[in-house]
Amino acid sequence: QVQLQQSGAELAKPGSSVKISCKASGYTFTSYDISWIKQTTGQGLEYIGYINTGSGGTYYNEKFKGKATLTVDKSSSTAFMQLSSLTPEDTAVYYCARGQRGFAYWGQGTLVTVSS
Amino acid sequence: DVLMTQTPVSLPVSLGGQVSISCRSSQSLVHSDGNTYLHWYLQKPGQSPQLLIYRVSNRFSGVPDRFSGSGSGTDFTLKISRVEPEDLGVYYCLQSTHFPPTFGGGTKLELK
Repeated sequence: QVQLQQSGAELAKPGSSVKISCKASGYTFTSYDISWIKQTTGQGLEYIGYINTGSGGTYYNEKFKGKATLTVDKSSSTAFMQLSSLTPEDTAVYYCARGQRGFAYWGQGTLVTVSS
Repeated sequence: DVLMTQTPVSLPVSLGGQVSISCRSSQSLVHSDGNTYLHWYLQKPGQSPQLLIYRVSNRFSGVPDRFSGSGSGTDFTLKISRVEPEDLGVYYCLQSTHFPPTFGGGTKLELK
């Protein structure tokens, strides 16, 4: 069965970076893009961008350019998202999801807390 | 970005009852390929969103026929009939016709 397993919760200091992983199983990894989505209580669900898992090509929502960097390791069927220059506004649950137009499968979410 | 407006924000329901959730977009969701990329999700507490309906009216695998989606252009509706306890949570619409994809603000379905 299709599974997306995300890395665990992160506690980070303002100004630092974190890198979240999303390991896929149960399907051919390079057949689907991986998207990333941010969820906060205040802003709801926001689309960050996606990575083409075959070519490594990326698309970013303008709002997250410079904040998020998406990469992929085909050998381990894992997608990564690095968040840089963290501020308290980056505190959120981050999800990976399969696809770029409709997200049938989601990871369990990774809570990133930014606090000094 | 396309603005997705969901109503109501909160929706009290009795078990066994029927409800409708509305989702309106700030521009047409008809893609140049002829498809309309409007989807519905349910998020239960502590869980990831789960796909219920894709492309307006298609039920995802395993979704009961109590759930139905309809609409066109900029106006869409999710109907839930014979509401069961496992249907409670927050419902979201999502458009992915235009990039970036954008979500509605959510509708919380709760017991009356």
